[in-house]
Amino acid sequence: EAGVTQFPSHSVIEKGQTVTLRCDPISGHDNLYWYRRVMGKEIKFLLHFVKESKQDESGMPNNRFLAERTGGTYSTLKVQPAELEDSGVYFCASSLRHKETQYFGPGTRLLVL
Amino acid sequence: AQSVTQPDIHITVSEGASLELRCNYSYGATPYLFWYVQSPGQGLQLLLKYFSGDTLVQGIKGFEAEFKRSQSSFNLRKPSVHWSDAAEYFCAVGASTDKLIFGTGTRLQVFP
Repeated sequence: EAGVTQFPSHSVIEKGQTVTLRCDPISGHDNLYWYRRVMGKEIKFLLHFVKESKQDESGMPNNRFLAERTGGTYSTLKVQPAELEDSGVYFCASSLRHKETQYFGPGTRLLVL
Repeated sequence: AQSVTQPDIHITVSEGASLELRCNYSYGATPYLFWYVQSPGQGLQLLLKYFSGDTLVQGIKGFEAEFKRSQSSFNLRKPSVHWSDAAEYFCAVGASTDKLIFGTGTRLQVFP
């Protein structure tokens, strides 16, 4: 069974540009989460989808970040326009049901110059 | 507010030595607790988890952790460390809304 996959693995962009990150959860997992680790600090929650609905988006830093999960399968996280402080590793995770183990992808390393 | 503290940023041990990584949490209700590991160039891998029941939890790769409610701790242990255990270790607590709250991580270095 394939795990959580993320694309791209790395992205280097200039300040002001747009970047879109993609996450494919484990097949059948209704719950999808985005997390971010900035500058070696703790990994922080961004948001949680249940199928295509946003269950909790309390961790989204500002309106430059837009997450979607059309059809309840894969999800995208778009940053527009990117700022220097957005650099970090963006992790996606999925779980089968509420409050079950979250399985993480390898992350996307974003560098904003 | 819910929080997780990993007081040791960096730990160095010799191969074959025992290991204990500390984790303290602050959470009002019964917590769901996790330890994840991130090896260089890899994603986060679940080592073990505590939801309820036996407070001593066995995980993969020979790791175990003990939940101590009185001390609000969930320390990770391994009796004999291998060079391949060199990685960054994260303790996390599951909040009521499903999101995980992570500590800042402990980087483990293993000397031969």
